[in-house]
Amino acid sequence: GDSVTQMEGPVTLSEEAFLTINCTYTATGYPSLFWYVQYPGEGLQLLLKATKADDKGSNKGFEATYRKETTSFHLEKGSVQVSDSAVYFCALSGARDNYGQNFVFGPGTRLSVLP
Amino acid sequence: GAVVSQHPSWVICKSGTSVKIECRSLDFQATTMFWYRQFPKQSLMLMATSNEGSKATYEQGVEKDKFLINHASLTLSTLTVTSAHPEDSSFYICSAPTPAYEQYFGPGTRLTVT
Repeated sequence: GDSVTQMEGPVTLSEEAFLTINCTYTATGYPSLFWYVQYPGEGLQLLLKATKADDKGSNKGFEATYRKETTSFHLEKGSVQVSDSAVYFCALSGARDNYGQNFVFGPGTRLSVLP
Repeated sequence: GAVVSQHPSWVICKSGTSVKIECRSLDFQATTMFWYRQFPKQSLMLMATSNEGSKATYEQGVEKDKFLINHASLTLSTLTVTSAHPEDSSFYICSAPTPAYEQYFGPGTRLTVT
């Protein structure tokens, strides 16, 4: 079945450091790809998404490019802030069913940014 | 953007009692909603799909008699944890797709069973 793999955390960075969180997926067909962020004690918020190959999603300085050839959707940010400390989830939604019946999440990567 | 709310945000109950959690889409209608469970420091696990006007669809391994789901209207789905036990303590999150097929998540409900 469909699956999402993320790099193991936790990731600890200093403020203004460069961030990369790797995400790879296995899916049939052409899924849509997402990054969600979860701040402590809160639910998930959509950070960015890409719906087809070579699309780049971006938001709040974060970027991720849908790479079909490497089945990857790595999250990057050029300069992290303390307020970026959260858990980041990579996820996919099968193209056939955008209601998310096969909305699959990765295990999450906890990011801590130190001042 | 679209908003999904959950109520309560946290609840503590005694073992053996039942707890109802509400999930509402505030500015759009959702014929389908999803319920997830998240254990500490783990990812979300889909429990069931809530369908307005019909029975919920449960994922393998989820007890439908324990986790009762009712999709009462196009903006409301409820999850009732019946005869709760400490192992049911968890973070429960709902989501709803907008007509444009974007998933929006509620803020979650933290259930603690003592």
